[in-house]
Amino acid sequence: DAGITQSPRYKITETGRQVTLMCHQTWSHSYMFWYRQDLGHGLRLIYYSAAADITDKGEVPDGYVVSRSKTENFPLTLESATRSQTSVYFCASSEGFARSNQPQHFGDGTRLSIL
Amino acid sequence: AQSVTQLDSQVPVFEEAPVELRCNYSSSVSVYLFWYVQYPNQGLQLLLKYLSGSTLVKGINGFEAEFNKSQTSFHLRKPSVHISDTAEYFCAVSTQGGSEKLVFGKGTKLTVNP
Repeated sequence: DAGITQSPRYKITETGRQVTLMCHQTWSHSYMFWYRQDLGHGLRLIYYSAAADITDKGEVPDGYVVSRSKTENFPLTLESATRSQTSVYFCASSEGFARSNQPQHFGDGTRLSIL
Repeated sequence: AQSVTQLDSQVPVFEEAPVELRCNYSSSVSVYLFWYVQYPNQGLQLLLKYLSGSTLVKGINGFEAEFNKSQTSFHLRKPSVHISDTAEYFCAVSTQGGSEKLVFGKGTKLTVNP
C-alpha cells in the first residue's frame, strides 16, 4: 500500500547506544522531514531533506544525524542516545515543488525510550 | 521568523456542543495555514488548509476554519462535536514563497464528553 511507514513503532535502548529510526515513503515525494513530539512543546523539526543527498537542519538538530541516499528513505540516527532524546518521533513527506503550500503526510511515529 | 500560538492547551466539551479551537500566528510575510488532527497513537492527518481565496475553509469531518488577516488568526470550528472528535489538534503555518517547512503550534487537546 502507498504511504509513509516508520519502523520500529516502539524502541527501548540505553544511554550511549546508537539507534536508527527508519522512514520509507512510496509517493516519490521530494521533501521529507523528521520531528520530535514532546509534551508541552508540540512538534519540533529535527532535520529535513529537499531531495536525495540534500539535507538541512531544523530547530533541534543536535545529537541527530540523517542521510538520504534514495528518495524514498530518510533514516534518523541518534549516534549516542541520551535520556533527553526520549520522545515520539514522526517522519513526514510532501510533494514540495518549493511552493510551500503542499501539506505534509505523516507516519504513525516511533516511540523511543532511552533508559 | 514565523510563530504559532494555540491559546488553549485543553478544551473539554460535551457531545453535540459547538467548539472553537483558537490559533494565532505571527509572520512578517504572507502565509499558508493548516490544521492537523492527531488521534491517539497515530500520526497527524490534514484537516484543512488555507492557501488563498475565500477566508472560510471547509475541511474533513465537518470542521471549518476562518482566516482573519487583520487579527492574524485561523480559528477552527465545528458546530456539533462527536465523541470521535476527541483528539489533539495542531495549527501550522508556512511562508508563501518560502521553504516547505511548517511551524507548528503546541497543540490543543479536545476532549468530547458524553
